[in-house]
Amino acid sequence: QKEVEQNSGPLSVPEGAIASLNCTYSDRGSQSFFWYRQYSGKSPELIMFIYSNGDKEDGRFTAQLNKASQYVSLLIRDSQPSDSATYLCAVGSNSNSGYALNFGKGTSLLVTP
Amino acid sequence: DGGITQSPKYLFRKEGQNVTLSCEQNLNHDAMYWYRQDPGQGLRLIYYSQIVNDFQKGDIAEGYSVSREKKESFPLTVTSAQKNPTAFYLCASSRRALGGGANVLTFGAGSRLTVL
Repeated sequence: QKEVEQNSGPLSVPEGAIASLNCTYSDRGSQSFFWYRQYSGKSPELIMFIYSNGDKEDGRFTAQLNKASQYVSLLIRDSQPSDSATYLCAVGSNSNSGYALNFGKGTSLLVTP
Repeated sequence: DGGITQSPKYLFRKEGQNVTLSCEQNLNHDAMYWYRQDPGQGLRLIYYSQIVNDFQKGDIAEGYSVSREKKESFPLTVTSAQKNPTAFYLCASSRRALGGGANVLTFGAGSRLTVL
């Protein structure tokens, strides 16, 4: 069973602070890693993806990948109340599920004004 | 604009009835997926299809059926055999990644099914 683990939260940060979201995965053959944001009652929307070890930055968001530790994280700088949502970590690999992604249960983020 | 259209958005069903959820995409994606999400839970894969006229079971296929007669369409039928069908159903699509493992899923808005 390929597991993707996230702390369910809620993670509460003040407006303007850095929010740090973490994710671990069990399948060492995993090759692609994604962060999705999901507002209550809505479908997930892609924030960013990362394939290689290291950091990848996109605006206020930075994804960090460490394949040796099987760990991926998302940093949100200058957090805004509009960032309050559930953040889903998803992992893809060559598997018998085609190109489907395995999702964690999500971390709920609350940014307080 | 390209995207994925799911319908209906909300659906109520009596126990013992089959229902079909529609999913249509105009992104020219080869692969399509159905996921189920329960409150406080992640997404669980029901079925997926990589090409027309071919589909495979995901992790929780029991009580569901699908078809893929057209590239654009991947309807999901929730049968009476599904014991706990009340959930949020999400359809997604992606390009088929050459070399595997590198794909981005685009999601529809979802269909919320409630069994009365």
